[in-house]
Amino acid sequence: DAGITQSPRHKVTETGTPVTLRCHQTENHRYMYWYRQDPGHGLRLIHYSYGVKDTDKGEVSDGYSVSRSKTEDFLLTLESATSSQTSVYFCAISAVTSSNQETQYFGPGTRLLVL
Amino acid sequence: DQQVKQNSPSLSVQEGRISILNCDYTNSMFDYFLWYKKYPAEGPTFLISISSIKDKNEDGRFTVFLNKSAKHLSLHIVPSQPGDSAVYFCAASVRSNYKLTFGKGTLLTVNP
Repeated sequence: DAGITQSPRHKVTETGTPVTLRCHQTENHRYMYWYRQDPGHGLRLIHYSYGVKDTDKGEVSDGYSVSRSKTEDFLLTLESATSSQTSVYFCAISAVTSSNQETQYFGPGTRLLVL
Repeated sequence: DQQVKQNSPSLSVQEGRISILNCDYTNSMFDYFLWYKKYPAEGPTFLISISSIKDKNEDGRFTVFLNKSAKHLSLHIVPSQPGDSAVYFCAASVRSNYKLTFGKGTLLTVNP
């Protein structure tokens, strides 16, 4: 699992409230990512980071912001949650496998419901 | 514009037979392709990858084939096992930018 944890694992919130999801990794990986998974859409990249304080937008970044003040933590913030942000959120890191294949390893996910 | 397409939402095969999952892409800049498996309530798990300089890569029961001219790749699972029942995602990247673009997934069901 490449030492990736996500918190919280489940969250219910109300429209208009801010929400922060945390991704924590223990293996000093440089690249970290946030995806959302929705039925009929696969996984879509929200934001990613290529180092401390270095972040960039992905495919579906509107309504989300991120921060990375330490190598091990990558935070995803919904400034004012909307029902369209109800989703499952996955964090990932880039790494090379034991068979020398470049890949991304994913965390267990956070299930977010916005009422 | 969907750059990675998995046109079969589902596939059902018998245990012991071959499972073939297909993926098409439109962006000719993609040079690296990956397959992931996902069980419910878990994160995707990496299976196998292939670079555009190759046309085949094998890892145990899993083989990925790449046809660059057709912009098509496929994942073969032989023999299929009930534990292989999951959603399979194809993903593609331009290797230099470390970002993945995913297909919508194919639900594979392997029947005992």
